[in-house]
Amino acid sequence: EAGVTQFPSHSVIEKGQTVTLRCDPISGHDNLYWYRRVMGKEIKFLLHFVKESKQDESGMPNNRFLAERTGGTYSTLKVQPAELEDSGVYFCASSQVFSYNSPLHFGNGTRLTVT
Amino acid sequence: GENVEQHPSTLSVQEGDSAVIKCTYSDSASNYFPWYKQELGKGPQLIIDIRSNVGEKKDQRIAVTLNKTAKHFSLHITETQPEDSAVYFCAATRYSSASKIIFGSGTRLSIRP
Repeated sequence: EAGVTQFPSHSVIEKGQTVTLRCDPISGHDNLYWYRRVMGKEIKFLLHFVKESKQDESGMPNNRFLAERTGGTYSTLKVQPAELEDSGVYFCASSQVFSYNSPLHFGNGTRLTVT
Repeated sequence: GENVEQHPSTLSVQEGDSAVIKCTYSDSASNYFPWYKQELGKGPQLIIDIRSNVGEKKDQRIAVTLNKTAKHFSLHITETQPEDSAVYFCAATRYSSASKIIFGSGTRLSIRP
């Protein structure tokens, strides 16, 4: 079974530019999550999709971030316009069911650097 | 807001010795505590977890303990091996909001040969 894949693995952009991150969850996983780790700090929740619907987006930092999951398969996270403080590692995770004991399967992350 | 404090941020131990990582959570309603291991270039991977109705859980060389009264929980790795070198994250969540896991800031564990 293929794991969660994220693309690109690295992205370096200038302040004010736009970047789009992509996540392909494990096939059959309805639940998809975005997290990020900034400056070596804790990994923070951004949002949670169930199929194509946003279940919880309380962690999205501001309206410069837009997440979509059209068709309930892959998801994209767009940052527009990017700011310096957006630099960090963005993780996507998926799970089969929404349950505390349904483990999250994380992708390898996208390292975003905004200069 | 809810947070999880994790210590130490870095830890270096001799191969074969034990390593202990400690965490404290703020939300008294938290009742599920997973631990994740992140190897270089990879995403976090669940290695062990514990529920609030259990005080200790063991899986081979790793064990977790939970003190609900003090809101402390710890990861213990015995007989450390080079492949244990990684960043470890503790986390806490409620059953009702399992998607919103609150992570600690991570511990970089290095095993000296």
